[in-house]
Amino acid sequence: AQSVTQLDSHVSVSEGTPVLLRCNYSSSYSPSLFWYVQHPNKGLQLLLKYTSAATLVKGINGFEAEFKKSETSFHLTKPSAHMSDAAEYFCVVRRNSGNTPLVFGKGTRLSVIA
Amino acid sequence: NAGVTQTPKFRILKIGQSMTLQCAQDMNHNYMYWYRQDPGMGLKLIYYSVGAGITDKGEVPNGYNVSRSTTEDFPLRLELAAPSQTSVYFCASSYSIASNEQFFGPGTRLTVL
Repeated sequence: AQSVTQLDSHVSVSEGTPVLLRCNYSSSYSPSLFWYVQHPNKGLQLLLKYTSAATLVKGINGFEAEFKKSETSFHLTKPSAHMSDAAEYFCVVRRNSGNTPLVFGKGTRLSVIA
Repeated sequence: NAGVTQTPKFRILKIGQSMTLQCAQDMNHNYMYWYRQDPGMGLKLIYYSVGAGITDKGEVPNGYNVSRSTTEDFPLRLELAAPSQTSVYFCASSYSIASNEQFFGPGTRLTVL
């Protein structure tokens, strides 16, 4: 079975400072990992995805994430937070074979302070 | 290209009432999904479909039904609404499981009183 644990339910940063949203995963098989973002009252949008190619993945809006198999982690980072980054972020895992659906973490709410 | 559309955006139901949440996509995607999002709980998969005429249960299917008569549409039916079904419902679609990216609709906020 697959699962993800988002280690922080809420992260608050000042504008212009780095962002770190932490995610650990558990998977019996080779996983695909994703980060989705949800702005208030909106649907989810894919930020980036890891599918067994390069371990450092770059996404939209300056975000990136590094797949670390030894640590079973897939943390999301951004060098400098912008006010528009304030949103809910979901770490998601899927097994890399078969007709398996996505499994979502509980989400991390990112607040950006001016 | 509208992407994934959902109607209605908001709805209040009384206990025991029924309703259908509509979902449509114009991207010719084979796979479609229904999720519910409860506060602090992430998204839970209710049902999914791998193509017209084929549906399967997700993690939390009880109290819901789906059908997939066309590639474009994937309605979610609630029979005998209960307060536990108060949630935000998201429909999503993807070209295939292997494509990995799902495209989400804007959601339907449902309250059952």
